Amino acid sequence: GIQVEQSPPDLILQEGANSTLRCNFSDSVNNLQWFHQNPWGQLINLFYIPSGTKQNGRLSATTVATERYSLLYISSSQTTDSGVYFCAVDTGNQFYFGTGTSLTVIP
Amino acid sequence: DVKVTQSSRYLVKRTGEKVFLECVQDMDHENMFWYRQDPGLGLRLIYFSYDVKMKEKGDIPEGYSVSREKKERFSLILESASTNQTSMYLCASSPSSTAGYTFGSGTRLTVV
Repeated sequence: GIQVEQSPPDLILQEGANSTLRCNFSDSVNNLQWFHQNPWGQLINLFYIPSGTKQNGRLSATTVATERYSLLYISSSQTTDSGVYFCAVDTGNQFYFGTGTSLTVIP
Repeated sequence: DVKVTQSSRYLVKRTGEKVFLECVQDMDHENMFWYRQDPGLGLRLIYFSYDVKMKEKGDIPEGYSVSREKKERFSLILESASTNQTSMYLCASSPSSTAGYTFGSGTRLTVV
């Protein structure tokens, strides 16, 4: 099956710092989605981004499907950004998830 | 916004019990999914459904079954709960095979 790798696995930031999370995938995909899992376990959809660039406030994402990677940018990080960020890719009938990047933002 | 509701946030059951986890979505989505999430193993697909009364096995269906009698409801059934089924269970729905997922808030199941 398709491999989805996320880096870094763990990240600690000072509040206000910027960061880039990466998702590499091993095969062509139809779709890609970024999620944030909050400390209570809820997975919140951030971006549905099979290709191109999208922005939502302090967050933006870019997917380069031909090179099989996606990037999630977090600017001016806040403590509420803490949690695990997952990338998921769709090969046609289901999404496959990466193992996530655990982000901790300290005040 | 789409809402996906899982009936219980926390659940404790005894080994051998039959367990029902319920998931309801309110946006007439065609597709519904059940995942489990375990430390170090990430999210793994148990079962999914593309239509009423249809079901497909995911990557780890053993020990589970599902029911989709109505479009809005997708139930996960543990026929005889075992301790290795202690996990976080997450339900998701999507309007089509080319659209993104919306997840419920999860059910943390402990089997003792």
